Amino acid sequence: QKEVEQNSGPLSVPEGAIASLNCTYSDRVSQSFFWYRQYSGKSPELIMSIYSNGDKEDGRFTAQLNKASQYVSLLIRDSQPSDSATYLCAVISNFGNEKLTFGTGTRLTIIP
Amino acid sequence: NAGVTQTPKFRILKIGQSMTLQCAQDMNHNYMYWYRQDPGMGLKLIYYSVGAGITDKGEVPNGYNVSRSTTEYFPLRLELAAPSQTSVYFCASSYNGYTFGSGTRLTVV
Repeated sequence: QKEVEQNSGPLSVPEGAIASLNCTYSDRVSQSFFWYRQYSGKSPELIMSIYSNGDKEDGRFTAQLNKASQYVSLLIRDSQPSDSATYLCAVISNFGNEKLTFGTGTRLTIIP
Repeated sequence: NAGVTQTPKFRILKIGQSMTLQCAQDMNHNYMYWYRQDPGMGLKLIYYSVGAGITDKGEVPNGYNVSRSTTEYFPLRLELAAPSQTSVYFCASSYNGYTFGSGTRLTVV
């Protein structure tokens, strides 16, 4: 069974520090990788997508992908209290239907 | 452009009742999905559709049915509601990335 695994946390990080979130996936043919942020009681919102090995930066967010090791990570620099949320890792393995397989999420708390 | 619209936002059902969760998108996306999310869990795919008239089962389809007669609408039908179907339901559509609806919080008592 195709799986996406995350540390459920909670992960507590001081304000201004770097938050590091990790995700591993089991399906080697996976091609597209996503990080979603979900505030309590809200729907997920896309914050990063990555398709190639290496780093991708967008503002304070950096996604890192290593297909050989089957892991993807998200770094949040200069963490803010507004970054406190659950972060969901998601993977597409089949471009024919673009089904996303989600991890269970990591709950992140930024401590002021 | 409203994106993905789900109704209702909240619903309480009694065991054995039926209901339809509505989902509409105005982005002309072919791909649409229904997920459920239980507390502390990720999203599990119930059903999906790659275009009007085409639907397929996801990871947890039992107890649900869908239809897709048009590109815009993708309703999810619950027959004979059970307590195990208490969850938050999200509809999404996709074109180079998912757009989620705001969710339906369903409680079966």
